Amino acid sequence: EAGVVQSPRYKIIEKKQPVAFWCNPISGHNTLYWYLQNLGQGPELLIRYENEEAVDDSQLPKDRFSAERLKGVDSTLKIQPAELGDSAVYLCASSSRDGEQFFGPGTRLTVL
Amino acid sequence: SQQGEEDPQALSIQEGENATMNCSYKTSINNLQWYRQNSGRGLVHLILIRSNEREKHSGRLRVTLDTSKKSSSLLITASRAADTASYFCATATSSNTGKLIFGQGTTLQVKP
Repeated sequence: EAGVVQSPRYKIIEKKQPVAFWCNPISGHNTLYWYLQNLGQGPELLIRYENEEAVDDSQLPKDRFSAERLKGVDSTLKIQPAELGDSAVYLCASSSRDGEQFFGPGTRLTVL
Repeated sequence: SQQGEEDPQALSIQEGENATMNCSYKTSINNLQWYRQNSGRGLVHLILIRSNEREKHSGRLRVTLDTSKKSSSLLITASRAADTASYFCATATSSNTGKLIFGQGTTLQVKP
């Protein structure tokens, strides 16, 4: 069974540029999560989806971050414009409802 | 915001020794989970312990939970070089079991 797929694995951009990350969850998992992980820290939840509905986006900086999960499967996380402080690893995870979360390998973003 | 604090932040042991990591948290929980993260990879779920459980085993892993002290420990017995990774505890509250709050992690190095 394929795990959570994320792309790209690495992204380097200049500040003020837009960037997008893509996530394909495990088949059949209704819940999808986006996390931000800074170096040396644990992941912090940005947004959680139940199917196509964002049920918890309280930690998402909505002035520059946006996310969508059309059709309740794949999801895209966007930053526009990116700032230096956005350099981090962006992790996607999926689960069946309130079940064990399975994480993707993450996208490492470097903003120059 | 991160609820958990992990101790120690870094741990270095010889292969065959046991490794113990501790996690403290602040609010009442529904369950506590431990994850492992190898360098540059996503997180892997190790074990989940519910608030009404005190101890749980999985292979060489032993997790304890003391809700009166709001703390948990992860013991890895007979460690191997392949156990080298960062270990994170994550808590889920009763009011929002789908949201995990991670600690900052313990970096374990097992020397061959």
